[in-house]
Amino acid sequence: KAGVTQTPRYLIKTRGQQVTLSCSPISGHRSVSWYQQTPGQGLQFLFEYFSETQRNKGNFPGRFSGRQFSNSRSEMNVSTLELGDSALYLCASSLAVLAGGNYNEQFFGPGTRLTVL
Amino acid sequence: AQSVTQLDSQVPVFEEAPVELRCNYSSSVSVYLFWYVQYPNQGLQLLLKYLSGSTLVESINGFEAEFNKSQTSFHLRKPSVHISDTAEYFCAVRGSGGSNYKLTFGKGTLLTVNP
Repeated sequence: KAGVTQTPRYLIKTRGQQVTLSCSPISGHRSVSWYQQTPGQGLQFLFEYFSETQRNKGNFPGRFSGRQFSNSRSEMNVSTLELGDSALYLCASSLAVLAGGNYNEQFFGPGTRLTVL
Repeated sequence: AQSVTQLDSQVPVFEEAPVELRCNYSSSVSVYLFWYVQYPNQGLQLLLKYLSGSTLVESINGFEAEFNKSQTSFHLRKPSVHISDTAEYFCAVRGSGGSNYKLTFGKGTLLTVNP
């Protein structure tokens, strides 16, 4: 089975621009979560999508948004980029079986490294 | 809400020495606990997890962690490290109920194994 893939792997943008990152989950996985990783703040949860609906959201401004498609692929968008948005953006997918609050392991992709100049 | 504290940001050790990476968590609900490893320019890989049952969990490459509910800790140990264990290690927690899959991570511990 192919793992979680993220595109592009590297991206350079300038302040004020917007950017869209893509994540393809493992086949059969229905939940996709996004995390931001920076040296100062560490790993922070952005949001999670399940069946095309945002189910959980972290404490990020509205400039950060996402969506999930019917094939479970997900995109996240950052508008009006700021220097502080420079980070590694990680996507994780899981089966998300809902019965009885079962645990579902999250599998991470390699990340997209965004640099804002 | 949950939080995770990794007490050491960097741990340098010599090859074949034992190592312990410390992790404490705070939560008002029952939790699942995890250790992830991140090698340079890569994503996160699950190293081991505690869901329920035995409080001592082991990975296939010699790491182990023990869940201590009274001390709210989940320290990671290895009796003899290799150069290839050099990486950043993250402790993480999430609630064990419901459909909230959000992981809360510690700030990470950089383990450097020197020859």
